[in-house]
Amino acid sequence: GAVVSQHPSRVICKSGTSVKIECRSLDFQATTMFWYRQFPKQSLMLMATSNEGSKATYEQGVEKDKFLINHASLTLSTLTVTSAHPEDSSFYICSATSGLAGNEQFFGPGTRLTVL
Amino acid sequence: QKEVEQDPGPLSVPEGAIVSLNCTYSNSAFQYFMWYRQYSRKGPELLMYTYSSGNKEDGRFTAQVDKSSKYISLFIRDSQPSDSATYLCAMSEGSSASKIIFGSGTRLSIRP
Repeated sequence: GAVVSQHPSRVICKSGTSVKIECRSLDFQATTMFWYRQFPKQSLMLMATSNEGSKATYEQGVEKDKFLINHASLTLSTLTVTSAHPEDSSFYICSATSGLAGNEQFFGPGTRLTVL
Repeated sequence: QKEVEQDPGPLSVPEGAIVSLNCTYSNSAFQYFMWYRQYSRKGPELLMYTYSSGNKEDGRFTAQVDKSSKYISLFIRDSQPSDSATYLCAMSEGSSASKIIFGSGTRLSIRP
């Protein structure tokens, strides 16, 4: 089956620093990647949708200047949390799809971000 | 009102029992319905994927969709302790490149 990886799996940073999270599709080309955030005991909330080579589409309430998304290739998307604050601490999960008819989204294992 | 409603549980059943998990939704445009399983601190894993109304069976898992009632279900037969996880229903209007709306997840525990 299709595999999506994320790196790092866990990161701890100081308040005010920036953190970059990578999402890679390992065995397929992902035309579209999605970034989700999940707070403890809550569901996944879509943050943004990113298509290769174009600007990401952000969901309402998500600051595009704080959560920078780059989808530079068909196998890699990055999420950079800029000037992180403790309230940004969360579980960030990406998913990817090749966009083929009937093909589902494949999820990465997630990245746990803790901002001190 | 949330677009997708799901009882958060927790739900605890003995090993071997039949488990029934349910979600309701309000958006009649949803066409694709999914169930994901998520273990603690891991990404969600797709269990079942259904288009429109009807039933779909895969091993011990059966997914049902009733679009007229805006109600979906996941049944787990012969439940095992390894089935203990959080189960998320999810749905979308279009296919894979469309936005997925998740339920809040039901925490399930299977007692040995």
